[in-house]
Amino acid sequence: AQTVTQSQPEMSVQEAETVTLSCTYDTSESDYYLFWYKQPPSRQMILVIRQEAYKQQNATENRFSVNFQKAAKSFSLKISDSQLGDAAMYFCAYRASNTGNQFYFGTGTSLTVIP
Amino acid sequence: ETGVTQTPRHLVMGMTNKKSLKCEQHLGHNAMYWYKQSAKKPLELMFVYNFKEQTENNSVPSRFSPECPNSSHLFLHLHTLQPEDSALYLCASSQPQGAGQPQHFGDGTRLSIL
Repeated sequence: AQTVTQSQPEMSVQEAETVTLSCTYDTSESDYYLFWYKQPPSRQMILVIRQEAYKQQNATENRFSVNFQKAAKSFSLKISDSQLGDAAMYFCAYRASNTGNQFYFGTGTSLTVIP
Repeated sequence: ETGVTQTPRHLVMGMTNKKSLKCEQHLGHNAMYWYKQSAKKPLELMFVYNFKEQTENNSVPSRFSPECPNSSHLFLHLHTLQPEDSALYLCASSQPQGAGQPQHFGDGTRLSIL
């Protein structure tokens, strides 16, 4: 079964600094997708960034970028120039391409941004 | 606007009550999901519907009963719940498999069982 592990329950970062959130996963599939979601205190889960496993190039969305290491099954999220609005729970998620609609989520990392 | 709307936002009920959670999506998706979110735990997938047909039921107790009358609406009927069922219940929708499309979530219903 696929599992997603986020080993950092809590992280903090100074405003304007950079922080990296870790995620590892376990799968025997070769084709899949990886996602980072943000859940602020308002509760709505919002997609931050997505990575296709067949693409070697790391995805980037403005201040958010990933370090995707397929062989190591690692998918970390880097937030640059951290802002107060980045404070939230961050969830890493996995979805196989051809084995149903299931998404697998990690336990989340709570990010605090210090002014 | 989220595109996925859940009602009610908060629900407090006794263990003998019957209530329903509602989810509606306006994104044209064909897959809908119910998740349970408890503190310090991964999101627990409860049910998946694909084109109105249930495709996943992750050993959810029968006191939770889903209903999907069409691709835009999803309900979770609750009956004789237990205190450990108190959690945030999230609804999500997506395109079916293979598209690589992410899930879109609603704001959730915070459920408290007395």
